[in-house]
Formats: sequence, structure tokens, C-alpha cells
Amino acid sequence: QITLKESGPTLVKPTQTLTLTCTFSDFSLTTNGMGVSWVRQTPGKALEWLALIFWDDDKRYSPSLKNRLTISKDTSKNQVVLRMTNVDPGDTATYYCVRRRYDGFWDFWGQGTLVTVSS
Amino acid sequence: DIQMTQSPSTLSASVGDRVTITCRASQNVGNFLAWYQQKLGEAPNLLIYMASTLQSGVPSRFSGSGSGTEFTLTISSLQPDDFATYYCQQYQSHSPYTFGQGTKLEIK
Repeated sequence: QITLKESGPTLVKPTQTLTLTCTFSDFSLTTNGMGVSWVRQTPGKALEWLALIFWDDDKRYSPSLKNRLTISKDTSKNQVVLRMTNVDPGDTATYYCVRRRYDGFWDFWGQGTLVTVSS
Repeated sequence: DIQMTQSPSTLSASVGDRVTITCRASQNVGNFLAWYQQKLGEAPNLLIYMASTLQSGVPSRFSGSGSGTEFTLTISSLQPDDFATYYCQQYQSHSPYTFGQGTKLEIK
């Protein structure tokens, strides 16, 4: 059964770097067309796409956050890592990782991890 | 960026009602449109992809239609489990991926 699970700190101080890890199972990021995205959802608000990494290591970023984000993968560990620099309270959100299928749509989501940015 | 606008933002309906949610894209997204259902405290759950293809395991009372810039999600006969928030998303490969602002479906 395909699963994804996010992990990382629950509390981060302003200006620090946030590192989140998505660990997945039952699919491979070496499969042609496959990808993993990160999406966040601020409390009571809508969904915001952050970054996507493809099987061939191609990477896409949200234009508004591009300068602060780095996405990477470790196919041997079935993990995707998202780094966000210089966080502030506006980055407080639930962060999800999502599988992108080879044919483009996104099907499986992790349970999400709530990150609070506060001093 | 392609903006996705859903209407209405909130919808009050009763069990058994037929309801329709609309999603408009600011540019042509072809059929690269998905619908998700999200319940409180849970991750979004894929309902429809490619504008009208029902995801495996999703009840047939859900259906999607449209192409280009205008799309609809229809629930033919509301069930108690359907009261949730619904989001559309465009996933064109050459664009930042964007979501609608959500439609909260409430019990009347």
C-alpha cells in the first residue's frame, strides 16, 4: 500500500531553517514520470504548492518561495527532503508531501505535519 | 501563475440534495484538473482527475466535467459523509501548480 509520511520539527524559531523529510513506500522515485510534491496549508486556509521533484531530479518551485526552498531526494532511502530558509510566523502551517503519478496527477498524500514558527 | 477560483465559497445543503461546485481557471489548463475532498484534521483525498475521471474507490455519486477554463464537481445525492471542504487543482506540467480557495459544504 502506498504511503507517505512527513517528519520534522514541530516548532521552529524565526530566521531558522526548516528541514522536513517525506518518507514513502510502495513506489519508487526512479520510475519514469514519478514525482513528489510538497504542499502546505495555513490554519483555516487553502492549499499552497511549494515544490516538486521528479524521478530525473528535475525540480520545480513556487515562484513566490523559490529563493527560500530547496528540494532533494534520496532514492536509496525512499525520501524527499524540503528545506526552507529564514522562516517567519507566516510559515506556520501543516506541511504535506504528495505523490505525483507518471501521468501527472497527484494521488496519495501524507498525513501532514504541523510546523509552528514562533520565538 | 494560473489562478483558480471556486464558487461558491460555502454551500449549505441537505442529505439527498444534488450539488454542484464550479472552478474557473484564469488560463486554459486543458483537462489537467483535479478535485479533492478534505475533512477536518485530515489530508486532502483525491476524488477526480483529468477533469472527469473518478479515482478508484470514490463513490459514483461524485462526477466531474469541463475543460479549458471552466469545470464542475457534482455530487448527485449528498450523503452525511460528504460534508467537507472541496478543492480544485490545476496540474499542468509547465505551470506552478495552483489550488482553488475551497468550497465548504455544510449541512443545512
